[in-house]
Amino acid sequence: ETGVTQSPTHLIKTRGQQVTLRCSSQSGHNTVSWYQQALGQGPQFIFQYYREEENGRGNFPPRFSGLQFPNYSSELNVNALELDDSALYLCASSRPSGGASSATQYFGPGTRLTVL
Amino acid sequence: QKEVEQDPGPLSVPEGAIVSLNCTYSNSAFQYFMWYRQYSRKGPELLMYTYSSGNKEDGRFTAQVDKSSKYISLFIRDSQPSDSATYLCAMNYGGATNKLIFGTGTLLAVQP
Repeated sequence: ETGVTQSPTHLIKTRGQQVTLRCSSQSGHNTVSWYQQALGQGPQFIFQYYREEENGRGNFPPRFSGLQFPNYSSELNVNALELDDSALYLCASSRPSGGASSATQYFGPGTRLTVL
Repeated sequence: QKEVEQDPGPLSVPEGAIVSLNCTYSNSAFQYFMWYRQYSRKGPELLMYTYSSGNKEDGRFTAQVDKSSKYISLFIRDSQPSDSATYLCAMNYGGATNKLIFGTGTLLAVQP
C-alpha cells in the first residue's frame, strides 16, 4: 500500500509570490485534506477535497485555493504570500464520508514553506 | 477558548516509565478521537482512534475517552527512547467533512 506523498519537501519564497504544493493520496483513498502547521502548534484545517470538489473549508482566506484531480491527487495554491504563511503544510487522505474509515486521516511528510 | 486544549509540556520521563498524555475539549459534538505521534520535522503518524467513550488498547498504548468529562487520555507503558516525539490529540464530528481539530501537542522526551 502506497502512503501519502508530498512535494516539494522544502520551499523558500518571498512575500507576494505564489506557491503550489502537491500531494498524492494513499492507495484506495479518494478524499484529501490540507492542513497548516505553524511552529509549536497543532495542524489547522485549510480545506478538504472529495470527487474533485471542495468539501469543507477552514478559516483561511480565498488566496488559499486547491484542486483535486481524477486520480485523487491534489494541489494547494497560495497567492500573495505573507510572512505568516511560513509553516509546514500537511496533506492527509482518507476514505469517503461516514464512519471511522473517513474519520481517520493519514498524513504525508509535509512541505515546509518559508516566506522571506 | 480553544476547542481542544493540550498541555504543551515538555514532559521528560525515564525509560520504562508509564506516560500519561491528556486533552480536554469543549464541544460535546465530537464523535471520533485520535492520537497522532509526530517526530521532529515529519508528518503526524496515526497511533490510535476511538469512537465515543471507552478504552482501546494496542500494544503498549491505551487510549481512553470520557465524553461526560470531555477528557481523553493516552497511556504509554514501558516507555522507550524511541517514543520521544510530539503527541497530538485530534477530534472530529464524524460528518461529511471530516476535518480534524487538533490540540497543540505535547512534547515527550524519554531519557535512557
